[in-house]
Amino acid sequence: EPEVTQTPSHQVTQMGQEVILHCVPISNHLYFYWYRQILGQKVEFLVSFYNNEISEKSEIFDDQFSVERPDGSNFTLKIRSTKLEDSAMYFCASSEAGRKNGELFFGEGSRLTVL
Amino acid sequence: AQSVTQPDIHITVSEGASLELRCNYSYGATPYLFWYVQSPGQGLQLLLKYFSGDTLVQGIKGFEAEFKRSQSSFNLRKPSVHWSDAAEYFCALAGTNFGNEKLTFGTGTRLTIIP
Repeated sequence: EPEVTQTPSHQVTQMGQEVILHCVPISNHLYFYWYRQILGQKVEFLVSFYNNEISEKSEIFDDQFSVERPDGSNFTLKIRSTKLEDSAMYFCASSEAGRKNGELFFGEGSRLTVL
Repeated sequence: AQSVTQPDIHITVSEGASLELRCNYSYGATPYLFWYVQSPGQGLQLLLKYFSGDTLVQGIKGFEAEFKRSQSSFNLRKPSVHWSDAAEYFCALAGTNFGNEKLTFGTGTRLTIIP
């Protein structure tokens, strides 16, 4: 069964460093998403990406964050100058037809720890 | 603004007993509603979804949910739980307006199964 894969599964970084989280969505999917879950809190939407551009982003997704689909298979989340409060589980998701008509398939997550 | 409330943080049921997990939402119209399950170390898996039509929806693993507009609820049920159902369950909502791709999640309900 096709699945969304995320790497790394866990990354530890120093405050102020840049981090890139990698995702390989399901190959025929067109919509891509990043969500995050701070420990003990709810899963929060960060950004959606369609047709090579951001289609929607939350207030969390400020200039510190960026997304890219560099090669047609990967979908990355870059966090510049990480802060302690960026520590969270980051989930990538993809969908064939968007949240209305299609199911979102989530990866297993990348845990980011900022020290 | 859209929001989802899951009033129960943690529920414990005996194996073979029935289960109901509560979900209430706030949205200006009838939203799209989802239930996701997260097993330890796993990503989020879709159990079922409601878009329109029949208010009782069937999902995978023997789960069902009923949409009640008058109560703004979308409770998840299972007639007889199995030990493998132990997991975290998230109710989620998506708006129906064009361009709104985000899912808004509840805080989750942790389900523990006892023998």
